[in-house]
Amino acid sequence: DAKTTQPPSMDCAEGRAANLPCNHSTISGNEYVYWYRQIHSQGPQYIIHGLKNNETNEMASLIITEDRKSSTLILPHATLRDTAVYYCVGFGNEKLTFGTGTRLTIIP
Amino acid sequence: DVKVTQSSRYLVKRTGEKVFLECVQDMDHENMFWYRQDPGLGLRLIYFSYDVKMKEKGDIPEGYSVSREKKERFSLILESASTNQTSMYLCASSSYLRTAFIGQPQHFGDGTRLSIL
Repeated sequence: DAKTTQPPSMDCAEGRAANLPCNHSTISGNEYVYWYRQIHSQGPQYIIHGLKNNETNEMASLIITEDRKSSTLILPHATLRDTAVYYCVGFGNEKLTFGTGTRLTIIP
Repeated sequence: DVKVTQSSRYLVKRTGEKVFLECVQDMDHENMFWYRQDPGLGLRLIYFSYDVKMKEKGDIPEGYSVSREKKERFSLILESASTNQTSMYLCASSSYLRTAFIGQPQHFGDGTRLSIL
C-alpha cells in the first residue's frame, strides 16, 4: 500500500490557485492516487483520482510526475468554502490508505 | 448523487454495551466499508464487504464485527464497547472494481461520533 506524505498545513489567498503537494514514493505500478477533502464535521468528499496521466474535472486538476512518486492537486480559484483538510490517498488491493492530510486555509 | 446515510451523528454508550452502527447507501453499490478516524492517525479501515453476506477484515478489526444482510445496508457491531473505541466512525461505499486497473472512488457518509463512557 502506498504511504503518502503531505505538509500538515498551508494557506492560500482567496481567488488564487491552491497547489497541494503529495509525496507517494512507495506507490506501486497499478496503484491509483486519490484526493479527498474533509470539511469540519462532514465525511471525506471525493475530489479526483489518477494513475499516470494528468486529470482535470470540475473541482480540480491533478498533476502526477512521470515517475509517479509525487503529485499536486490544484484548485484553480480558491474560495473560502475550499477551507478543509485535503487527503492524498493511495489505493491498492481494494483498500484506501489515508494519511493525516494537509489543512488548507483560504485567507480572505 | 450518491447518498450514504449513517443512522446517528452522535452516540453515547457505556463500557460493556453492545453497540450497533448502521449505514445505508442508495446507489446499488457492491462495496461497503467501515473506517474509524482519530486525531493524528487519519482514517483506518476496520472491515469491508464486497457483497451480501461477505466480509473482509481491514487493518484494525479487533473488537468489531460486521453484518451485511442486504446490499444497501452495512452494520458495524462493537461486541463489548470499551473506552478506546471512542472515535469518529465513517461508512463508505463504491461500485465494484472489476480489475485493479480501474479506479472507483469511495463515497462517504457524514460519520457517527461515538463516545464510550
